[in-house]
Amino acid sequence: EVQLVESGGGLVKPGESLRLSCAASGFTFSSYKMNWVRQAPEKGLEWVSSISSSSSYIDYVDSVKGRFTISRGNAKNSLYLQMNSLRAEDTAVYYCARDVREGRFPIDYWGQGTLVTVSS
Amino acid sequence: DIQLTQSPSFLSASVGDRVTITCRASQGISSYLAWYQQKPGKAPKLLIYAASTLQSGVPSRFSGSGSGTEFTLTISSLQPEDFATYYCQQVNSYPRTFGQGTKVEIK
Repeated sequence: EVQLVESGGGLVKPGESLRLSCAASGFTFSSYKMNWVRQAPEKGLEWVSSISSSSSYIDYVDSVKGRFTISRGNAKNSLYLQMNSLRAEDTAVYYCARDVREGRFPIDYWGQGTLVTVSS
Repeated sequence: DIQLTQSPSFLSASVGDRVTITCRASQGISSYLAWYQQKPGKAPKLLIYAASTLQSGVPSRFSGSGSGTEFTLTISSLQPEDFATYYCQQVNSYPRTFGQGTKVEIK
């Protein structure tokens, strides 16, 4: 059974940093593109970042470029999101998510999400 | 960036109704469009990808169509468990944008 379990969320002040982790199991992690998607309270879904299976391709939504860094540890079956210079508008539930397969395919598995709150 | 506009944003319907949601892209995305269903407090669930391919395990009352810039999600006979918010997402290019969502509520 595919499982994605996020951790690392919490309450931080504007300008502070946070590192999210996602532990993957039930599939060959090193073969799949992975993503972070967020959802602000009572708002819609926003794609944040993707990383290819070998980390050779990485991309971000413009609003987090230069502040967030996605990475993965295939030996540890783990996905990460380092978030620096956090802003109030980064407040959201952050989902770790797996693509159906490499290429132009959508997400087929999602974690339960971890809440990040940025507030003074 | 490619913008996706869903219509309507809110839909009130009854059990058994046929429901259609539209997603329009600001530029052509071939068939690289997916549909998701999200219930309150839960992660989204993939319903359809490649515009019309039903994800494994999804009931056949859900169907998708379209290509280029206009796409539709149809629920042939709305069931109680289908009341949720639906999102389209384009995976043609980055950033992989979502539509703003369509909330389907009970009439």
